[in-house]
Amino acid sequence: KNEVEQSPQNLTAQEGEFITINCSYSVGISALHWLQQHPGGGIVSLFMLSSGKKKHGRLIATINIQEKHSSLHITASHPRDSAVYICAVIGVDQGAQKLVFGQGTRLTINP
Amino acid sequence: NAGVTQTPKFQVLKTGQSMTLQCAQDMNHNSMYWYRQDPGMGLRLIYYSASEGTTDKGEVPNGYNVSRLNKREFSLRLESAAPSQTSVYFCASSSGPYFSPLHFGNGTRLTVT
Repeated sequence: KNEVEQSPQNLTAQEGEFITINCSYSVGISALHWLQQHPGGGIVSLFMLSSGKKKHGRLIATINIQEKHSSLHITASHPRDSAVYICAVIGVDQGAQKLVFGQGTRLTINP
Repeated sequence: NAGVTQTPKFQVLKTGQSMTLQCAQDMNHNSMYWYRQDPGMGLRLIYYSASEGTTDKGEVPNGYNVSRLNKREFSLRLESAAPSQTSVYFCASSSGPYFSPLHFGNGTRLTVT
């Protein structure tokens, strides 16, 4: 069983829909990252969080440490949000060299 | 501000050939990383460098060597390429290993025939 599980693996939605991508992990963590991989391949860091909730524009990331679960929400989705979204976690007292990555969720937003 | 620059973007090698992937960052980051990304698998760490002058193995180091030439540059070398090393390689950097966002290069798509 992977330490980091993302769901769904693939998601197709219409422009304007509210999107939720889930990430569950099995170990205690010190931080969780959400990354976005563009269709061209580049990877961008979206959020890094250890508790609560963060918001940037139309993107919201939440984490529940007790339930070992995080969600990434996209409001008013747009075709340019089409990308692979990757969750990654760092164990307690470990550095970024110990990041464990999920397999990613491929999101497609149709106009 | 270029961020993390990786070269080349594409490379085709024959089995047994060698090559070096170059990575440079201009953000004065201490930590640098090399990952590989294969279909159906998450990113996997090959080597990392917590600071200038230090390097350590990651999850999948076999067949690779690295050099942290200075604070800016971290290169990955394949001494004798194998088809199993066909992958997309990403270099990344962060200001430190703890609670710092990662900055990625654009990737190198390597095919070994």
